[in-house]
Amino acid sequence: QSVLTQPPSVSGAPGQRVTISCTGSSSNIGAGYDVHWYQQLPGTAPKLLIYGNSNRPSGVPDRFSGSKSGTSASLAITGLQAEDEADYYCQSYDSSLSGSVFGAGTKLTVL
Amino acid sequence: QVQLVQSGSELKKPGASVKVSCKASGYTFTSYAMNWVRQAPGQGLEWMGWINTNTGNPTYAQGFTGRFVFSLDTSVSTAYLQISSLKAEDTAVYFCARDLYGGNSPFDYWGQGTLVTVSS
Repeated sequence: QSVLTQPPSVSGAPGQRVTISCTGSSSNIGAGYDVHWYQQLPGTAPKLLIYGNSNRPSGVPDRFSGSKSGTSASLAITGLQAEDEADYYCQSYDSSLSGSVFGAGTKLTVL
Repeated sequence: QVQLVQSGSELKKPGASVKVSCKASGYTFTSYAMNWVRQAPGQGLEWMGWINTNTGNPTYAQGFTGRFVFSLDTSVSTAYLQISSLKAEDTAVYFCARDLYGGNSPFDYWGQGTLVTVSS
């Protein structure tokens, strides 16, 4: 059972907006630790998508955005494209575990 | 450009050992920590721990103590993951990923993954 809770799946039609939530607790997100998001395309390694809650690495389209509030964070994807179909993971640090933690992942399906 | 290149797939019998390598290039190896992440078939990402590339000191996540060993060869900018007494449930893809020291740093570059299959 993951320390960070994500919905198992989300879906949307091309062009639509979807959000993926990541809910933690007072020992991780709620303690002020940053949330990072990764995109994992089928059969490939994860790729850093959002870091420090809301920052995009160079090369990541601005269709992807992140936010954080309280004990939760969210990833939003606007203008959904077929190529966005992937698994998405949130990550943070947990002080009780003294280490990094991942959410269980969310599978995005583009209808 | 930054690259983390891992060794190839392994097929091992239960009880055997395996050593996965992760060769870094394109940056100063000792300026970043190296993490290991496991992904069992059809499952999510699980952080296994990290190794301080300056001191060689490893830190293991809960559930990854005893049979798992992180090591380095800084002369060739390579990190290693060794798993002993392999079990069927160790079957997974193992990734290395670097991060800037800080505990809460993002994993900005990942290796391509190494599939370890444990089967008799």
